Amino acid sequence: DIQMTQSPSSLSASVGDRVTITCRASQTISSYLNWYQQKPGKAPKLLIYTASGLLTGVPSRFSGSGSGTDFTLTINNLQPEDFATYYCQQSYSPPCSFGPGTKLEIQ
Amino acid sequence: LLLESGGGFVQPGGSLRLSCAASGFSFNTYDMNWVRQAPGKGLEWVSSISASGSHTNYAESVKGRFTVSRDNSKNTVYLEMSSLRVEDTAVFYCVKESTTIFGVIVRGGAFDIWGQGAKVTVSS
Repeated sequence: DIQMTQSPSSLSASVGDRVTITCRASQTISSYLNWYQQKPGKAPKLLIYTASGLLTGVPSRFSGSGSGTDFTLTINNLQPEDFATYYCQQSYSPPCSFGPGTKLEIQ
Repeated sequence: LLLESGGGFVQPGGSLRLSCAASGFSFNTYDMNWVRQAPGKGLEWVSSISASGSHTNYAESVKGRFTVSRDNSKNTVYLEMSSLRVEDTAVFYCVKESTTIFGVIVRGGAFDIWGQGAKVTVSS
């Protein structure tokens, strides 16, 4: 099974900052990497699919990149509603697997 | 929209059935999944079922104890859970899987619609 790691596990930032979250797969997953945002008490939401595809309705300050084993989620000009936990997920090889999450907190 | 029901409190070794009613999309054309989240923990994929219901998959942690099924005439997917353990305590999410998003093929699928979650507590 493919193992996913994320760094950092938590991150403090301020409104207006730019942040980058990294996700790494234990073996190549091509570009089949998705990103989800989860706010406390709520279900996760898909933000980005296949590493860089922005889902309709997701603000353009979110972007994703990477292929193979290393991926990044970047959020520019952080807004108050962006403070949440972010998960990456590989869909390349079953069973799909999630990273452990990165909690983005207000500094 | 996905709406789960059936969560609750059960003793170890007990059983529970979750239901997930779908609306707003062509239910019978999409694979469906269950993903769970233990308290304070991350996301764990549990099970999937193909659009027709003919193929199912399970995480090793639930294989032999959980059974996923669907009734396309009722737009509903189910998760039958038996021999429940304390470590099964979690919020269970019903999730729609899309293998094509805006014409882009998503190998293995992306989880684009999530239910609100059903809380399952296993405790003595």
